[in-house]
Amino acid sequence: KAGVTQTPRYLIKTRGQQVTLSCSPISGHRSVSWYQQTPGQGLQFLFEYFSETQRNKGNFPGRFSGRQFSNSRSEMNVSTLELGDSALYLCASGGASSYNEQFFGPGTRLTVL
Amino acid sequence: AQSVTQPDIHITVSEGASLELRCNYSYGATPYLFWYVQSPGQGLQLLLKYFSGDTLVQGIKGFEAEFKRSQSSFNLRKPSVHWSDAAEYFCAVYILTGGGNKLTFGTGTQLKVEL
Repeated sequence: KAGVTQTPRYLIKTRGQQVTLSCSPISGHRSVSWYQQTPGQGLQFLFEYFSETQRNKGNFPGRFSGRQFSNSRSEMNVSTLELGDSALYLCASGGASSYNEQFFGPGTRLTVL
Repeated sequence: AQSVTQPDIHITVSEGASLELRCNYSYGATPYLFWYVQSPGQGLQLLLKYFSGDTLVQGIKGFEAEFKRSQSSFNLRKPSVHWSDAAEYFCAVYILTGGGNKLTFGTGTQLKVEL
């Protein structure tokens, strides 16, 4: 069974631009969560989607948004990029139960210049 | 507020030596606890998890962890470390909020293995 895939793996943008990251969960998984990892703040929860609905949200500004499609694939969008948005963005997929473990993808490394 | 503390930012051990990585949590309800490992440039791989039952849990790669409710701890151990274990290790607790899933992570412990 294929794992979680994230595209692109690396991305360079300039301040003020917007970016869209994509995540394909493990087949059969309906939950997709997004995390931001930075050296200063560590791993922080962005949001979780389940069956195309946002089920939970972390403490990030409205510039960060996401969505989930009917095939469970998810996208994350960041508008008006700031230097501080440079990070590794990790996607994790899980089953329907709240207690299922989450399987992480390799991440997208975003650099904002 | 729920939180996870990993007191050791860096740990260095010799290959073949034993290892213990500390993790303390703050969570009002019964915690669901995890240990993940991250190699450079990679995502997170689950080592083991504790939901309930036996407080000593076995994981992959020879790792184990013990849940101690009285100490609010979930320390990770390995009896003999291999050079390939060098990586960053994260402890996490599952926060359940209105049916949603949210993993709260510790700040991580960077493990260096000396040959």
